[in-house]
Amino acid sequence: AQSVAQPEDQVNVAEGNPLTVKCTYSVSGNPYLFWYVQYPNRGLQFLLKYITGDNLVKGSYGFEAEFNKSQTSFHLKKPSALVSDSALYFCAVKGVTGGGNKLTFGTGTQLKVEL
Amino acid sequence: NAGVTQTPKFQVLKTGQSMTLQCAQDMNHEYMSWYRQDPGMGLRLIHYSVGAGITDQGEVPNGYNVSRSTTEDFPLRLLSAAPSQTSVYFCASSSLHEQYFGPGTRLTVT
Repeated sequence: AQSVAQPEDQVNVAEGNPLTVKCTYSVSGNPYLFWYVQYPNRGLQFLLKYITGDNLVKGSYGFEAEFNKSQTSFHLKKPSALVSDSALYFCAVKGVTGGGNKLTFGTGTQLKVEL
Repeated sequence: NAGVTQTPKFQVLKTGQSMTLQCAQDMNHEYMSWYRQDPGMGLRLIHYSVGAGITDQGEVPNGYNVSRSTTEDFPLRLLSAAPSQTSVYFCASSSLHEQYFGPGTRLTVT
């Protein structure tokens, strides 16, 4: 079975500082990894994905994530946080083999960026 | 191109009532799915479909039925609502590597 862990329920960052939202995963074989963001009372929006190739992937709104196979991690990062980045962030995984398009989501991390 | 649409946005049911949550997509995606979102539990897969006429159970299917008669539509039915089904429900459709989510339905069962 595949699973995702987001160890922090909430991350607080000052505007302008770098941010990291952590994610580790478990899956049989190679993973496809995703980050989604949810603003209040909205659906989930796709941020970025790792499929294959370069371990550092860049996504929307200046976010990036680094795939680390040995640590089974896919942490979300941004060099300089904005107040408008405050939202709920979800990491998700699916296996390259088997499972079809079934995504497994983490429990989410609330990011709060303060002035 | 509307993407994924869901109706209604809000619904209050009494225990034992039935209802159908509607979901439609205009992207011609074969794969569609239903999730429920509960605080501290992330999104959990209820049912999914890999094409018209084909559905399967996800992680938390009990109390829910689905059908897929067309590529565009994937309704979720609650046959006899229970307070444990109070949640926010999201429908999604998927291309090869990306899922597109609808705006959600907030359901309260009293």
